[in-house]
Amino acid sequence: GNSVTQMEGPVTLSEEAFLTINCTYTATGYPSLFWYVQYPGEGLQLLLKATKADDKGSNKGFEATYRKETTSFHLEKGSVQVSDSAVYFCALKTSYDKVIFGPGTSLSVIP
Amino acid sequence: DSGVTQTPKHLITATGQRVTLRCSPRSGDLSVYWYQQSLDQGLQFLIQYYNGEERAKGNILERFSAQQFPDLHSELNLSSLELGDSALYFCASSTRTSGSLYEQYFGPGTRLTVT
Repeated sequence: GNSVTQMEGPVTLSEEAFLTINCTYTATGYPSLFWYVQYPGEGLQLLLKATKADDKGSNKGFEATYRKETTSFHLEKGSVQVSDSAVYFCALKTSYDKVIFGPGTSLSVIP
Repeated sequence: DSGVTQTPKHLITATGQRVTLRCSPRSGDLSVYWYQQSLDQGLQFLIQYYNGEERAKGNILERFSAQQFPDLHSELNLSSLELGDSALYFCASSTRTSGSLYEQYFGPGTRLTVT
């Protein structure tokens, strides 16, 4: 079946450090891939997306490239800020609108 | 602000009871989705409605049901509540039922505590 695996957290980084959160997926066909972010006490927000192989999604300094050969969609940011502290969810969509989320990775950025 | 509203924000009730959670989608969005977020199960898709009709079903228990009304708001009904039903319940909406540029907008959630 379809599934999403993320690196386990929590991840703690110092401000301005480089961030990578790994995400790999299993899916039939050609899914669309997403990263969502959940700030404390809030709902999920779409951070970025990619709809086909080699697409790069980017937003707010975050990037992720759809790698079909490695079935991955790793999230990266060159210099994290305290305000990036949140839980990050990798997700995929195959048929209809059903979205499958990974377990989430908690990120804490310390000054 | 995503434009999706959910009420109530918090709900505390006892085991065996029944509750109703309400969601109003963004203006113009026809699809509504319900998710359950708990510490042990993560974020689980429950059910989707499109323009009043059930469209997709996920890991929704038989004790749970949902509907979408003509004005497009949706309600999630949880009955015979158990301690394990304590979770954050999110509603999301989207404009289209499918499409590669699809995007779901999430509400702030309803935190349900079953005691």
